Amino acid sequence: DQQVKQNSPSLSVQEGRISILNCDYTNSMFDYFLWYKKYPAEGPTFLISISSIKDKNEDGRFTVFLNKSAKHLSLHIVPSQPGDSAVYFCAAMYSGGGADGLTFGKGTHLIIQP
Amino acid sequence: GAGVSQSPRYKVAKRGQDVALRCDPISGHVSLFWYQQALGQGPEFLTYFQNEAQLDKSGLPSDRFFAERPEGSVSTLKIQRTQQEDSAVYLCASSLGRRGNQPQHFGDGTRLSIL
Repeated sequence: DQQVKQNSPSLSVQEGRISILNCDYTNSMFDYFLWYKKYPAEGPTFLISISSIKDKNEDGRFTVFLNKSAKHLSLHIVPSQPGDSAVYFCAAMYSGGGADGLTFGKGTHLIIQP
Repeated sequence: GAGVSQSPRYKVAKRGQDVALRCDPISGHVSLFWYQQALGQGPEFLTYFQNEAQLDKSGLPSDRFFAERPEGSVSTLKIQRTQQEDSAVYLCASSLGRRGNQPQHFGDGTRLSIL
């Protein structure tokens, strides 16, 4: 049972346009959500996070939106740049106990076209 | 360096051999995590340490997997009698704590191949 789902294995976007990466989750106990970016042969790099008590968090070109009722979050990148080409992982956690690690989706490969 | 350091970067072993993977977390980080990432998948949680205490090992796939962090800094993940299904990238992450606003920072991983 996959508790965090990224249904798009890949996404191609033109440079300068908006990239929107989606993530769905099933466990209503999750109270923090994070996005990581991963280049080949490197570890995931933390990008941005959001608490379940908020619906939006912004950091420069990156904005994460959370819709708790739909159990859905999205990462917006504006404007998209060539260096944004990477695999993006959505991750969730429950800080109140239980399993201590992050639960990851399978990732979305973002390709920025020149 | 300032980041999480893992060694070796690549490890090839024959089925049945024991392997040991090392993780040097960011200095001062209390929390340390191990993950396993299979090809085309997201990382999957294996185990969690707070200082030297292993507080969660619910993700370890079998009793062949063992992790330790004896002095609360460097950690070692050991796999005994390796099997082909153990082939994966093993990622280590550290953080200041377990709260949501204390994100985990990952090393570049050890790619383990079992022949």
